[in-house]
Order: sequence, then C-alpha cells, then structure tokens
Amino acid sequence: DSGVTQTPKHLITATGQRVTLRCSPRSGDLSVYWYQQSLDQGLQFLIQYYNGEERAKGNILERFSAQQFPDLHSELNLSSLELGDSALYFCASSVGTSGIDEQFFGPGTRLTVL
Amino acid sequence: AQSVAQPEDQVNVAEGNPLTVKCTYSVSGNPYLFWYVQYPNRGLQFLLKYITGDNLVKGSYGFEAEFNKSQTSFHLKKPSALVSDSALYFCAVNTGGFKTIFGAGTRLFVKA
Repeated sequence: DSGVTQTPKHLITATGQRVTLRCSPRSGDLSVYWYQQSLDQGLQFLIQYYNGEERAKGNILERFSAQQFPDLHSELNLSSLELGDSALYFCASSVGTSGIDEQFFGPGTRLTVL
Repeated sequence: AQSVAQPEDQVNVAEGNPLTVKCTYSVSGNPYLFWYVQYPNRGLQFLLKYITGDNLVKGSYGFEAEFNKSQTSFHLKKPSALVSDSALYFCAVNTGGFKTIFGAGTRLFVKA
C-alpha cells in the first residue's frame, strides 16, 4: 500500500458527461501528480500541483482541469467526455518538487466512456 | 527536450536466469533516473533511483541498475529472475525540474 488513495476505483459514464476523480496523497507529501494511462499512449503526465499551486502541465486537454485543496487532496475534472478518454487515471504524490523524490502512485481510477 | 526510451516492448527470460531491461535517456543537464514496476491492476511502485554518486544503484526486490553517462543508459538488472518479477517496468527521467518523463514501458515475462 503506497498510502495514496483514489476514488472511485471504477467509473462508467456516457459521452458528453462530466466526472470528478479524487486523490488523497501520502501523509506529509505536498506534491500531487495526475497521469493518464491508455493502451496506445503509455503513461502520460497531465498536471502537477505543489501545496495548492499548479507547478507543471503536460499533455492535459482543455476539457480537463484539476485543483489541489488546502487539505492537499486533489481532484481531476474531466468534461465533455469522449470515447478516447477511456483510460486508467493515476494520481501520485511526492514530498517536494525538486525532481529527485520518487513518486508514490495510487491504485488508479478506471474510466470507461460509452 | 528531455526524453527516455525503452527500446524493447517485451523481454522474455527463464526463471533463474539474469535479466536486463534497457533504458536510454536524452537530457540537457544532469539526469535523475528512476525505475518503477507495475503489476496487473495496480499503480506503479518505485524500485530505485540514481541521483548522484555510485553508478551502481541497488533497489527493492533484488533489482539494481547501472548509470552509464557516456552511453546515456540506465539499464535495470537482476542476477536471477523470478516468475513473480513478471510485470511492466517503466524507466523515468527528471533533470531537477517539475516534470518527470516516463518511458513507454517494457513488459517482462519470466517463464518457469
């Protein structure tokens, strides 16, 4: 158990809908990362937050947004969902932002868009 | 731009034999290199990292990796493979910035 929790585990929804994925980092970790893993794209970095502030953006679509709250949990909002958004979404956390810290991954949320 | 390559989609090895999973990187600046493992239906787990110092890094579950600056490689190794090592392995690189880049992953099959 990494100490990172993600809810829900599975999510099935329809095209055009909006969903929210939730992540709680390990105790003491200030950085939260979001990744998308699909069969044909591998692990894609979406966005990083550190202590409530956005720190880095990757291949995140404009339909997607995220935030980190004062209690350090984070939410990833996906809207106007398309079939291609079906994937595993991982949250990870680390102590800092220097790049030398390993990341601890949650179990993921499997999103299926029908 | 920094990048990391895992040239093999899949590696097959017999139990008890040594295994190597390859990783090469391209960065400007000093690299911080990582290996992670993903078991089915699980998140990634940290195995080991190279920051500085000794080029041979030892990690979890008997794995080790060697940093080779001249060849820009960071291959993962284990002297004797176990069936339970079968999983998806990811190499990752960071140069001290905010973004860690992950390779495409290499699937390891260890046959009994």
